[in-house]
Amino acid sequence: AQKITQTQPGMFVQEKEAVTLDCTYDTSDPSYGLFWYKQPSSGEMIFLIYQGSYDQQNATEGRYSLNFQKARKSANLVISASQLGDSAMYFCAMSSSGNTPLVFGKGTRLSVIA
Amino acid sequence: ETGVTQSPTHLIKTRGQQVTLRCSSQSGHNTVSWYQQALGQGPQFIFQYYREEENGRGNFPPRFSGLQFPNYSSELNVNALELDDSALYLCASSLWGLNTEAFFGQGTRLTVV
Repeated sequence: AQKITQTQPGMFVQEKEAVTLDCTYDTSDPSYGLFWYKQPSSGEMIFLIYQGSYDQQNATEGRYSLNFQKARKSANLVISASQLGDSAMYFCAMSSSGNTPLVFGKGTRLSVIA
Repeated sequence: ETGVTQSPTHLIKTRGQQVTLRCSSQSGHNTVSWYQQALGQGPQFIFQYYREEENGRGNFPPRFSGLQFPNYSSELNVNALELDDSALYLCASSLWGLNTEAFFGQGTRLTVV
């Protein structure tokens, strides 16, 4: 069975600073994908970044980067130069193949302070 | 914004009633997955539809059922509503085998009283 653990219920960060949101995972599958989603108060899940288990380099998408440490089974999200609009819930998720459903963590609420 | 739309956005039902939630998938996508997100939790997988057939189901009772139509849109039906069914229901559309391209709708917030 797959499991995602997000140990930070809430985080605060000063505007323009960087912040790291923690995610650890557990799976016995050799091939898997890791995802981060942002959920504003409106409810929509917004895809941020994806990392495949065989990808050699850490994924980056604009201000988002994924710090993938396979041996430690961690996939932390780094947001650089935080903006007020980054305030939201952030979910880490995984799936073992292209057709299997996403397994989500409980999320971290990020609050960006001016 | 994604091309995935859900309706209605909010809904209030009484315990024991039945409800139908709808999802229009993004153009070109042939797979729809439904998730239930209780307050303060991450989304939980309900089931997935591909080629109008259920393909995978999470730990939900049979009173949760669904349909997928030839245009790939989908419905989630819940019978005999219980108070614990109150949640945000999210649908995600994707191409079969490529959930790296999954896009979510804005969700339907269901309240059972």
